Amino acid sequence: AQSVAQPEDQVNVAEGNPLTVKCTYSVSGNPYLFWYVQYPNRGLQFLLKYITGDNLVKGSYGFEAEFNKSQTSFHLKKPSALVSDSALYFCAVRPDMRFGAGTRLTVKP
Amino acid sequence: EAQVTQNPRYLITVTGKKLTVTCSQNMNHEYMSWYRQDPGLGLRQIYYSMNVEVTDKGDVPEGYKVSRKEKRNFPLILESPSPNQTSLYFCASGSGVLSYEQYFGPGTRLTVT
Repeated sequence: AQSVAQPEDQVNVAEGNPLTVKCTYSVSGNPYLFWYVQYPNRGLQFLLKYITGDNLVKGSYGFEAEFNKSQTSFHLKKPSALVSDSALYFCAVRPDMRFGAGTRLTVKP
Repeated sequence: EAQVTQNPRYLITVTGKKLTVTCSQNMNHEYMSWYRQDPGLGLRQIYYSMNVEVTDKGDVPEGYKVSRKEKRNFPLILESPSPNQTSLYFCASGSGVLSYEQYFGPGTRLTVT
């Protein structure tokens, strides 16, 4: 069975600092990995995905994610955090479409 | 505008009173699904559909029904709601290709008393 884990419920960073939101996965075969963001009172929005190819994937709003097969991780990163990045972030894996429990990112001015 | 719509957005009901949450997409997507979101549990898939007249159970299907008579619509039916079905529900759609992302509706907050 496929699964993803987000080991941190909450991540706090200062505006302008780099941010990382962690995700590890467990799949048999090649993984299809996704990151979504949820702003308050909104549905989830797609940020980026890894299917194959380059291990560094670039997505929307300046976010990127690094696929690491040996560590079975797919961490979300951004070089310089904005207050507007504060939201709930979900990692997901297909084909079973499993989501992690979510990580609440808070960026403080 | 490409979108997934859900109705109603908010619903308060009583135990046992049948209800339907509608979901519609205008992107001609084959794949549609329903999730519930509960604190600390993330999103859990209730049912999904690969195409018209094709539906299958997700991780938490008990107490729910779905139908897919048309490509654009995928209603979620609670025939006898119970308080443990109080949750935030999301409908999503996407290409049938597994490498494609999903598009989510705005959510329906359901309270069952």
